[in-house]
Amino acid sequence: DAGVIQSPRHEVTEMGQEVTLRCKPISGHNSLFWYRQTMMRGLELLIYFNNNVPIDDSGMPEDRFSAKMPNASFSTLKIQPSEPRDSAVYFCASRRENDSGNTIYFGEGSWLTVV
Amino acid sequence: AQSVTQLDSQVPVFEEAPVELRCNYSSSVSVYLFWYVQYPNQGLQLLLKYLSGSTLVKGINGFEAEFNKSQTSFHLRKPSVHISDTAEYFCAVSDLGKTGANNLFFGTGTRLTVIP
Repeated sequence: DAGVIQSPRHEVTEMGQEVTLRCKPISGHNSLFWYRQTMMRGLELLIYFNNNVPIDDSGMPEDRFSAKMPNASFSTLKIQPSEPRDSAVYFCASRRENDSGNTIYFGEGSWLTVV
Repeated sequence: AQSVTQLDSQVPVFEEAPVELRCNYSSSVSVYLFWYVQYPNQGLQLLLKYLSGSTLVKGINGFEAEFNKSQTSFHLRKPSVHISDTAEYFCAVSDLGKTGANNLFFGTGTRLTVIP
């Protein structure tokens, strides 16, 4: 089975540009998570969807960040305008709610560099 | 609220030596516990998890962890490490059976470096 698929894997962009990260969760999973990983702050949950509805977005850093999940098989995380401090690895993860043990499965990550 | 403490940020160990990576958690309710591994430039992979039952849990790649409720710990162990075990290891906790606003709370990670 295909895992969580993220794109792009790597992106380098200039400050002020819009960045869109994409995620396809595992088929049949109904919860989706966006995490950010940096050296300074470790793994942070940005937002969490359940059945395409945002449940907890308290981790979204500021208004420059937005996330959508228009359907069960696709989500985007957008940063507009981007800043150098947004440089990080962004992970998408999914889970089948009510699955034994609440196991979350991660994608390979999108490595973002804002210069 | 839950929290996870990984006491060691870095653990160097010689090849074929045993290793223990420590994890302590705090929670007001019963929890599920997880260890994830992140190899360089890759995403996180589930290593093992504790749900209930036997407190000794065996995972992939020869790793195991023991749940100790009285000490609120879930330390990860391997009797003999290989070079390929060099990676970042994350301990995580999740509420037992809670859905909706459920989440995994991660520790800050422990970087295991296996020295030839």
